[in-house]
Amino acid sequence: SQTIHQWPATLVQPVGSPLSLECTVEGTSNPNLYWYRQAAGRGLQLLFYSVGIGQISSEVPQNLSASRPQDRQFILSSKKLLLSDSGFYLCAWSGRRNVVPRNGYTFGSGTRLTVV
Amino acid sequence: DAKTTQPNSMESNEEEPVHLPCNHSTISGTDYIHWYRQLPSQGPEYVIHGLTSNVNNRMASLAIAEDRKSSTLILHRATLRDAAVYYCILCGGNKLVFGAGTILRVKS
Repeated sequence: SQTIHQWPATLVQPVGSPLSLECTVEGTSNPNLYWYRQAAGRGLQLLFYSVGIGQISSEVPQNLSASRPQDRQFILSSKKLLLSDSGFYLCAWSGRRNVVPRNGYTFGSGTRLTVV
Repeated sequence: DAKTTQPNSMESNEEEPVHLPCNHSTISGTDYIHWYRQLPSQGPEYVIHGLTSNVNNRMASLAIAEDRKSSTLILHRATLRDAAVYYCILCGGNKLVFGAGTILRVKS
């Protein structure tokens, strides 16, 4: 069966520090991968998605970047965190026929980031 | 991305059916209708999705209007564990864009 792993669960980082959040998927190949952010009391905002190794699409301009070094690995990074980067970060994957999702999306358990 | 319109909140009694509406008048022919729910402090959970025909699974049923401009998520017997934010999303490409969703409250 397919599983998605996301870590860490919680993170407190000072302003100006770097960030690296990792997400891995098991039990599938060629998934679409996504990073979402949810600020406190707000909706889910799509940050990045990837349909293949090295292929990253950015949805909103921001202080973050994403990379996909391997088929089932998706990394969210920042060189210098801002206070506004605080939020609940969620990784998700979907299977696909070509690039369209075949079934529902599966989300990880999330990382709650607090920038202080 | 095609938009959906959902009520901000709804309330239901435990053990009763719940019908969560969603309007999507600008839906295109290739858009799938997805439903997800999110419990507090958790990631969204896939509920159901469909294209044209009504769909049933162990969690819920999805009723899609004939013109596809609206749909209804049906929870057959609401439990306290069904209290969550429910999102109706149109997905025609390779990404899922969330709206505000409907907050469902379930009373015991």
